[in-house]
Amino acid sequence: AQSVTQLDSQVPVFEEAPVELRCNYSSSVSVYLFWYVQYPNQGLQLLLKYLSGSTLVKGINGFEAEFNKSQTSFHLRKPSVHISDTAEYFCAVRGSSASKIIFGSGTRLSIRP
Amino acid sequence: DADVTQTPRNRITKTGKRIMLECSQTKGHDRMYWYRQDPGLGLRLIYYSFDVKDINKGEISDGYSVSRQAQAKFSLSLESAIPNQTALYFCATSDLRSGHYEQYFGPGTRLTVT
Repeated sequence: AQSVTQLDSQVPVFEEAPVELRCNYSSSVSVYLFWYVQYPNQGLQLLLKYLSGSTLVKGINGFEAEFNKSQTSFHLRKPSVHISDTAEYFCAVRGSSASKIIFGSGTRLSIRP
Repeated sequence: DADVTQTPRNRITKTGKRIMLECSQTKGHDRMYWYRQDPGLGLRLIYYSFDVKDINKGEISDGYSVSRQAQAKFSLSLESAIPNQTALYFCATSDLRSGHYEQYFGPGTRLTVT
């Protein structure tokens, strides 16, 4: 079985500052990893995904994440955030032979002007 | 037009009432899912369906039932609603042809049970 832990429930950051949202997973098999974003009053949409290959994955809106197998982490980063990045971010994991995605509890990113 | 739609978007109901949440998709995807979202708990899977004849329980299926009326329609029912079923409910779809790596979400239904 897989599980995912998002270490921070809320992350406040100033506009144009860098941000890192942390995600750790556990699994006994190979995994696929995802970050989803939920803007206020909307459903979730995929930000980026790691399936295989390069451990540095680039997504939409300037976000990127790095898969670290030894630390079982998949942290999300952005070098300079904007007010429009205010949202809740969900890390998710799926075992390579599994049919379901397991979501973390979410990190609420708030941007201060 | 949205690819995954949910109706209603908001619903207030009383304890003990039966309620149905509906989901439709125009993406032609074979798999459909129902999740509930609660603050601090993320999304939890209620039921999922691989096709019209294949329904599977998720991690929190008690108190819920589903119906896959067609490939494009997947309904969630609360037979007798209770207050702790107050939550945001999401429908999602995925595609075998793309390996089911990504799920596409509807806008959600906010359900309040009083």
